[in-house]
Formats: sequence, C-alpha cells, structure tokens
Amino acid sequence: RKEVEQDPGPFNVPEGATVAFNCTYSNSASQSFFWYRQDCRKEPKLLMSVYSSGNEDGRFTAQLNRASQYISLLIRDSKLSDSATYLCVVNGVGGSNYKLTFGKGTLLTVNP
Amino acid sequence: GAVVSQHPSRVICKSGTSVKIECRSLDFQATTMFWYRQFPKQSLMLMATSNEGSKATYEQGVEKDKFLINHASLTLSTLTVTSAHPEDSSFYICSVARVTAGGRSYEQYFGPGTRLTVT
Repeated sequence: RKEVEQDPGPFNVPEGATVAFNCTYSNSASQSFFWYRQDCRKEPKLLMSVYSSGNEDGRFTAQLNRASQYISLLIRDSKLSDSATYLCVVNGVGGSNYKLTFGKGTLLTVNP
Repeated sequence: GAVVSQHPSRVICKSGTSVKIECRSLDFQATTMFWYRQFPKQSLMLMATSNEGSKATYEQGVEKDKFLINHASLTLSTLTVTSAHPEDSSFYICSVARVTAGGRSYEQYFGPGTRLTVT
C-alpha cells in the first residue's frame, strides 16, 4: 500500500459544482495532515491543515478519520480559479514531525 | 506575502557543469529547510533536510556528493547539483517549516521552485 494514496482523477466539473477528494494513508503513527494545491509548473501552496475535528475555510471543508486513515477535501460552489492539482500530504512519517509525504495529486478542472 | 524565495527560477546548463540554487527564508529564521525534487507528473520527493550549522540529512537513494547542501545561516540554504546530467533535469523546490498557531503542528511553505534543464 502506498504511503499516501489519492483519487487518480482527473475531475472535470462545471462552475458551481461540489467536488470531493479522498485520500488514504498507510502509517497509523502519522501526526499531521494537509491539503496543498499546485498550479501547473508552480510550487505547492498550503490550502489547509486538517484537524481531527474537521475544519472549514470558506468553501473548503477538510475531514480526518484516524480510525480509517482517511482524509477528505470538499469544495463547494467551484470556481474557475479552483482548477489545479490537489495534493494530500501527511506529516510525521518515520517518526519525524517535519517529513512530508505527498500523494500524487488529483487534477481538478472547473469548466465555465 | 512570500515566505520563501528561490534563485534562480530557471536554469539551463550543459552536462558536466555544476549549478547552485539558493533558498531564502524571508519571514523568520529557519534552522531547518528542506529540498524536494519533482519530475513531470510525479509527486514531490524529499531529497534532504538542511540543518543550520550541521550536515544535511539525505533521503535514501540521494547521493550526498552529487547534491551538496550548505545551510550557513538561519535564512539561507543552498543546493549545488554537481556534474549535472540530463537525468538531473527536474523541478527543485525548497521549503521551510513553521510551527502552527497553538503549537499543534508544523506547516511547510514552499519556495517558487527552480526548473533545471541539463542539455
């Protein structure tokens, strides 16, 4: 099982749609979880951290299920500017709080 | 505003030459910085952890004599790709880690990356 596994995508949705991304991780000792977005040929940018209680930031909602080792990201009312690759990222692999392990990413295209 | 800067943003060099990439932490002093590499359509892969004032820690499979890391100050880490070959062509990205509000975790912020092409 891969350390961090995501929906392969790609996702093509119309503006205004709701879209959900799923991610699983293999190391039960992982401590911290994040969603990053990466635009084509750019660096990843932190979208949101994911906390055990779940958290929301505007149109974005992240959920964590430690028992299932599962993370999700929900985007409501999609905008054209949401088009990007979404990376599920897990910290704390190998006993280190610093080391990040990235999923391969899920490409989202929001169409007009 | 930007937390991390990188220079150069793009470099093309000939096979056998060395290339130095600089990573600067703009907002705070960073005792630890990270170097990643990303090949087309692949995940970011951690290459090494750069520690201020001490030797870098390299991930398995990354040649420390080929990828020289120097972290001489709390705001600057450099990665030198020595004797570059076409297979070293990639997107190199550095990052810094910052403790989140409340000290619950670390969040990493990435530089804009350096696209290296070795001909």
